[in-house]
Amino acid sequence: QSVLTQPPSVSGTPGQRVTISCSGSSSNIGGNSVFWYQQLPGAAPKVVIYSSSQRPSGVPDRFSASKSGASASLTISGLQSEDEAHYFCAAWEDGLSGPVFGGGTKLTVL
Amino acid sequence: QVQLQESAPGLVKPSQTLSLTCSVSGGSIRSAEYYWTWLRQSPGKGLEWIGHTYYSGRAFYNPSLKSRVSLSVDTSKNQFSLKLNSLTAADTAVYFCARDVNGGHFDVWGQGTLVTVAS
Repeated sequence: QSVLTQPPSVSGTPGQRVTISCSGSSSNIGGNSVFWYQQLPGAAPKVVIYSSSQRPSGVPDRFSASKSGASASLTISGLQSEDEAHYFCAAWEDGLSGPVFGGGTKLTVL
Repeated sequence: QVQLQESAPGLVKPSQTLSLTCSVSGGSIRSAEYYWTWLRQSPGKGLEWIGHTYYSGRAFYNPSLKSRVSLSVDTSKNQFSLKLNSLTAADTAVYFCARDVNGGHFDVWGQGTLVTVAS
């Protein structure tokens, strides 16, 4: 059972917009930055969003994210087949001195 | 470009101790900016933070594993290491080392190494 809650799966067709939610509490998302990771099969995760809404260089601007209270969301616009992957949210957990993660959401591009 | 590479222990037996090393190349482990971190991912499951260490050797652990885990740093070899004892099948997972820039922001990852606990 993961500390942060994500839907197990979402899907969309090429060109569509999809949103992945991530729900936590005041001790993690509510008080700290949120990070989003993309994981392709057999590969290590790759950060696509840091500090709740910032994109690292090299990540397409189709990826955006926001945070409100103890919830966060990742939005992918203009969906492409290469976006098919697992997506995880993460946030620092006060009192743990470490991060907690969501269970992951599998994005399927139909 | 900093790169991380985990050692590959493969199959370990129940009750034994897992030892993993992460070699850092392309940069120095001697930086107060980063937490050098171990995470794991069980088959089909999400990520779990195991713990992290600073180059000074100070370490923080996930309470769920704290009684069984130990992290260390060898600055002379530019490596950091994980030891996890009293292994059970529940410890079977892909183990990753990673660099934490800022409280959960992992900007560099190792490729991951599958550890299977079985007799």
